[in-house]
Amino acid sequence: GEKVEQHESTLSVREGDSAVINCTYTDTASSYFPWYKQEAGKSLHFVIDIRSNVDRKQSQRLIVLLDKKAKRFSLHITATQPEDSAIYFCAGNTGNYKYVFGAGTRLKVIA
Amino acid sequence: DMKVTQMPRYLIKRMGENVLLECGQDMSHETMYWYRQDPGLGLQLIYISYDVDSNSEGDIPKGYRVSRKKREHFSLILDSAKTNQTSVYFCASIHNQAPLFGEGTRLSVL
Repeated sequence: GEKVEQHESTLSVREGDSAVINCTYTDTASSYFPWYKQEAGKSLHFVIDIRSNVDRKQSQRLIVLLDKKAKRFSLHITATQPEDSAIYFCAGNTGNYKYVFGAGTRLKVIA
Repeated sequence: DMKVTQMPRYLIKRMGENVLLECGQDMSHETMYWYRQDPGLGLQLIYISYDVDSNSEGDIPKGYRVSRKKREHFSLILDSAKTNQTSVYFCASIHNQAPLFGEGTRLSVL
């Protein structure tokens, strides 16, 4: 079955710098990739997604890139702020509405 | 406001006791999920439900069963809970293709 691997388990950046979180997937049929943010002690909240018919999507300071050849997608957070500190999860849709999640990246933004 | 509601939020049980976790949504979403979250493992899919009485095993169904008798309600049952089922359990339903998560139930099995 589909596997989604999230490469950075932790990431520290200085406030104002960009943060990049990378994920890879195994199933070439995967067509939809959402990202979630989880603050300490809270639930997962959807932040941005990308579908396989595009290779870039931006929502304010969040950019998602998709490289279908490499089966890789990444979340770029620009001009980071302390409130961006959280755990970020990538996910892939294997079809039949089954979502597989990465293990999460703990992002720390240092003021 | 679209919301997935989980009850209870916190639960402590003894090993061997039965556990019932409840999840509700009022958006008539057909597809619902139960995941568990453990540190370093991300979210693992326990069960997926495509509609009433249409449930399918996820990646880690052993030790769990589910019930969906109404579209808006999806229950997770642990018969004779084990200590390794201590975890945070999340319910979700599909909204605009992406899972919309409830606030989670933190279960401790002692």
